Amino acid sequence: QSALTQPASVSGSPGQSITISCTGTSSDVGGYNYVSWYQQHPGKAPKLMIYDVSNRPSGVSNRFSGSKSGNTASLTISGLQAEDEADYYCSSYTSSSVWVFGGGTKLTVL
Amino acid sequence: QVQLVQSGAEVKKPGSSVKVSCKASGGTFSSYTISWVRQAPGQGLEWMGRIIPILGIANYAQKFQGRVTITADKSTSTAYMELSSLRSEDTAVYYCARGGTMMENWFDPWGQGTLVTVSS
Repeated sequence: QSALTQPASVSGSPGQSITISCTGTSSDVGGYNYVSWYQQHPGKAPKLMIYDVSNRPSGVSNRFSGSKSGNTASLTISGLQAEDEADYYCSSYTSSSVWVFGGGTKLTVL
Repeated sequence: QVQLVQSGAEVKKPGSSVKVSCKASGGTFSSYTISWVRQAPGQGLEWMGRIIPILGIANYAQKFQGRVTITADKSTSTAYMELSSLRSEDTAVYYCARGGTMMENWFDPWGQGTLVTVSS
């Protein structure tokens, strides 16, 4: 199972919005609404930010939102803040009954 | 509120095995799934497999088939991941996380991670 494709890096200034894409196939992202997103700060465990494509867990800021079109899912962060600087990973259930992650995207807040 | 606490760092020789534990507190251990995810230094996340304690059934990513064994002890609410025939490329932080079913297809929460270093 190949990893999902994410841009290696994105950047934005405080207050701006950014979008991170996550491209898979019809066997994973495109086939199920089972995409989740994780934030990981250096040396820390990942934290769930979005599940089932667009749902936010309790306690996650509404500045984080998710969507999907075809084989590509997206994470949008609005009103960028310095603390949003981190690595972000997408994940999807697959037709092989396993899970696959994206390669990760490093977000830099300028 | 489920919390997952993992065992400490390990240093292993190539060819040996390592067994990492993940103790759960809060919630009903048998009612949820535990997945294992690893992260090599400077690299991304990689799903290794999962276990459904109430059924005692484990599933593994193809890459790790034959080398990884995931088990669970319901009496102590602890899941284990054993990786054998270790090589240098297995040096990574290994995380356990709740999740890994179609009903709960996300991973939350995560353990703190266990660094496994494979070196001669």
